[in-house]
Amino acid sequence: DTAVSQTPKYLVTQMGNDKSIKCEQNLGHDTMYWYKQDSKKFLKIMFSYNNKELIINETVPNRFSPKSPDKAHLNLHINSLELGDSAVYFCASSQVAKRGGSGANVLTFGAGSRLTVL
Amino acid sequence: SQQGEEDPQALSIQEGENATMNCSYKTSINNLQWYRQNSGRGLVHLILIRSNEREKHSGRLRVTLDTSKKSSSLLITASRAADTASYFCATVLGGSNYKLTFGKGTLLTVNP
Repeated sequence: DTAVSQTPKYLVTQMGNDKSIKCEQNLGHDTMYWYKQDSKKFLKIMFSYNNKELIINETVPNRFSPKSPDKAHLNLHINSLELGDSAVYFCASSQVAKRGGSGANVLTFGAGSRLTVL
Repeated sequence: SQQGEEDPQALSIQEGENATMNCSYKTSINNLQWYRQNSGRGLVHLILIRSNEREKHSGRLRVTLDTSKKSSSLLITASRAADTASYFCATVLGGSNYKLTFGKGTLLTVNP
């Protein structure tokens, strides 16, 4: 029973197309994330939602639009795909720690979605 | 911006040997986490150490934290071929507990 599941696992598409990646978590977590991992394995946070509210929006082109219909789902839609968008996109979730508290934010990751733009 | 930097970038050892990876960070932290990523898979949380702790153990893993030097190390003892993976340290950047940032990782190869 996968805790954080992403679909599709692989996505090959042409430049200029629009594509979506879906993510679902069954852990009951409040917060979900999208991270992008490039070919050098550098992992960069893109977005985060807490209870369907956008709380982190890094410097990401506005071709990327996340959507969280409920706290168990976070989807990523990408318009007008470019070669540089090729990467592995990871969804993650966590039970958010209290602000200002000593609680830690431990993430559970999905298996990743490898996007290849030709 | 990047918070954690792992060192070395790659490490190759024989089965049974110990592996040590280091992480340096820039700003003060509440805690530091280590994650493992097997090839083609997502990251898996290994261990967390809080800023008021100096050392923590979990099975064959030993993590140390030196807040004065802003550095942490992960030691894997008696390594196995199955430990072959990339290891990342992660910290919270800018005081937001939500924004966990990762270093570039250390690729550990354990040869049978």
